[in-house]
Amino acid sequence: QVQLQESGPGLVKPSETLSLTCTVSGGYISDYYWTWIRQPPGKGLEWIGYMYYGGSTNYNPSLKSRVTISVDTSKNHFSLKLTSVTAADTAVYYCATITGEDAFDIWGQGTMVTVSS
Amino acid sequence: DIQLTQSPSFLSASVGDRVTITCRASQGISSYLAWYQQKPGKAPKLLIYTASSLQSGVPSRFSGSGSGTEFTLTISSLQPEDFATYYCQQLNSYPLTFGGGTKVEIK
Repeated sequence: QVQLQESGPGLVKPSETLSLTCTVSGGYISDYYWTWIRQPPGKGLEWIGYMYYGGSTNYNPSLKSRVTISVDTSKNHFSLKLTSVTAADTAVYYCATITGEDAFDIWGQGTMVTVSS
Repeated sequence: DIQLTQSPSFLSASVGDRVTITCRASQGISSYLAWYQQKPGKAPKLLIYTASSLQSGVPSRFSGSGSGTEFTLTISSLQPEDFATYYCQQLNSYPLTFGGGTKVEIK
């Protein structure tokens, strides 16, 4: 059973870069598409984007100019970088993937990131 | 982008009630719709995929139906552990989008 665990700083200053990592266990990074989703406090879910280990990516147009998702096969993890953050980027960030049918069946526990000086 | 509109946004119900949540898509998405349950402080949990398929391990009191632009999630007999927020998600086209959520609370 694939398991995911997010890690990274819980506090980022405005205009800086948010960097998170999702470590994959119980499966190989080369097997699936890897996704980031976020949820601002008290609000709904927003899909950020995905990457497949072969290099294909797809980002939400609302964030595309600021987002990079990358995969490190040697460490079996994938990462999110979001540049020029503002308070609007304060959210719980989840990594997720589809291992079975057409929906996100595996999620990390989520990590809260606050953008504040 | 495909917009998903959930209704109601808030629902108060009692244990044993039959509950129905609706999700309407701004354009046709075939059956590429999923439903998730989220409890406070937890990640969403997949309940239903491709509109009507029950995820392994999910109780059979949960069911989904619909295709095209209108979908429903039904809980046949609400249990105490079902009080949570429910989200629909379309996986028909990018960017993937979620509905605004339906919070189910105890009456």
